Amino acid sequence: SYELTQPPSVSVSPGQTASITCSGDKLGDKYVCWFQQKSGQSPVLVIYQDSKRPSGIPERFSGSNSGNTATLTISGTQAMDEADYYCQAWDSNTHVVFGGGTKLTVL
Amino acid sequence: EVQLVESGGGLVQPGRSLRLSCTASGFTFGDYVMSWFRQAPGKGLEWVGFIRGKAYGGTTEYAASVKGRFTISRDDSKSIAYLQMNSLKTEDTAVYYCTRPGSGWYMYFQHWGQGTLVTVSS
Repeated sequence: SYELTQPPSVSVSPGQTASITCSGDKLGDKYVCWFQQKSGQSPVLVIYQDSKRPSGIPERFSGSNSGNTATLTISGTQAMDEADYYCQAWDSNTHVVFGGGTKLTVL
Repeated sequence: EVQLVESGGGLVQPGRSLRLSCTASGFTFGDYVMSWFRQAPGKGLEWVGFIRGKAYGGTTEYAASVKGRFTISRDDSKSIAYLQMNSLKTEDTAVYYCTRPGSGWYMYFQHWGQGTLVTVSS
């Protein structure tokens, strides 16, 4: 089965840029989504189809995907961005795969 | 506004069954695939399965971890999706979420319910 790998944790200072990676075999051939999940809350979609932002998601969230790595970038990171982030892709057209999640700490 | 409300969670013994419901509002329910996800305590997100709309035969897909034990169904007249869970195991303990995708040809999971907690324990 297809696997997605994320770093367990990433730290960033307020106002700086945070980058969270997601790696998988030929991941660039698939579309990747990113979810933000704050403690005790349901996941929120922040990026879909590699780089599209749903309405209501701040412009500081962006995504890219090429080769074996997709990246979620948060520019001008704010304290409110502290959360767990999950990447997601499709394994074939019928099964959904998640990365293990990355805890973003803003300190 | 899209709203998804899960219900039916609770404490259940191993080997028993439980049925979860996802009541939807704010959109034409029958037009959309409905999916279930779960998250074990302190763990990451896991896809459980989904059911296609009537136009695509209402067919289903499941994760290997639940295939043969869990069944997803839908009642379009009531705008409810169900997750029937049989032969429950302690490792099925999780918060269960239902989702609706965004609009368009590519299925991305835009709308999530608040989740319902299922605890499998003796």
